Amino acid sequence: EDQVTQSPEALRLQEGESSSLNCSYTVSGLRGLFWYRQDPGKGPEFLFTLYSAGEEKEKERLKATLTKKESFLHITAPKPEDSATYLCAVQGGGNFNKFYFGSGTKLNVKP
Amino acid sequence: DVKVTQSSRYLVKRTGEKVFLECVQDMDHENMFWYRQDPGLGLRLIYFSYDVKMKEKGDIPEGYSVSREKKERFSLILESASTNQTSMYLCASSSPGGTTDTQYFGPGTRLTVL
Repeated sequence: EDQVTQSPEALRLQEGESSSLNCSYTVSGLRGLFWYRQDPGKGPEFLFTLYSAGEEKEKERLKATLTKKESFLHITAPKPEDSATYLCAVQGGGNFNKFYFGSGTKLNVKP
Repeated sequence: DVKVTQSSRYLVKRTGEKVFLECVQDMDHENMFWYRQDPGLGLRLIYFSYDVKMKEKGDIPEGYSVSREKKERFSLILESASTNQTSMYLCASSSPGGTTDTQYFGPGTRLTVL
């Protein structure tokens, strides 16, 4: 079954405490893996697209990496403003318009 | 920057009412999508459209219909709203091409059906 699983469901960090969020997938025929940030009551905001294993993308304190079965979103020295839910989505499974979304990781960074 | 707008941020309707949710994108994207997002269930695809007047059912189309008369506008219609359609509704658009196509989301409409 094509699916995307994110872990942990929730993560509480102290400001400056680096960590990683995981997104594992069983979707066949990967066309792309996407990371989004979602603030409460708002729509997801696009962060990164990764296309192939070994690829990495960076933006400020965030770095996304991709292997054949999972992706990691590394957060270096997070700040309270990084608090949000981070969503992972995978495009593939034979229908190029189909996106499989994970349930998200809710990150809370305490000052 | 890609901009996707939705007609309302918050909407309260009564059971049995016909509800229209509007979405407009300004980037000439071919594809448009409607999702609903519920706690613990994540984002679920209701319908999508890959061209004007074209539509395809997603994972949960029951109780919904869509309309796309112009490329930039995609409407979601709840024919007879029910309380189990209380949810956050998200519109997205993308442009096919290259290896993949990123979906860009609107701000969402929080619909409450009483």
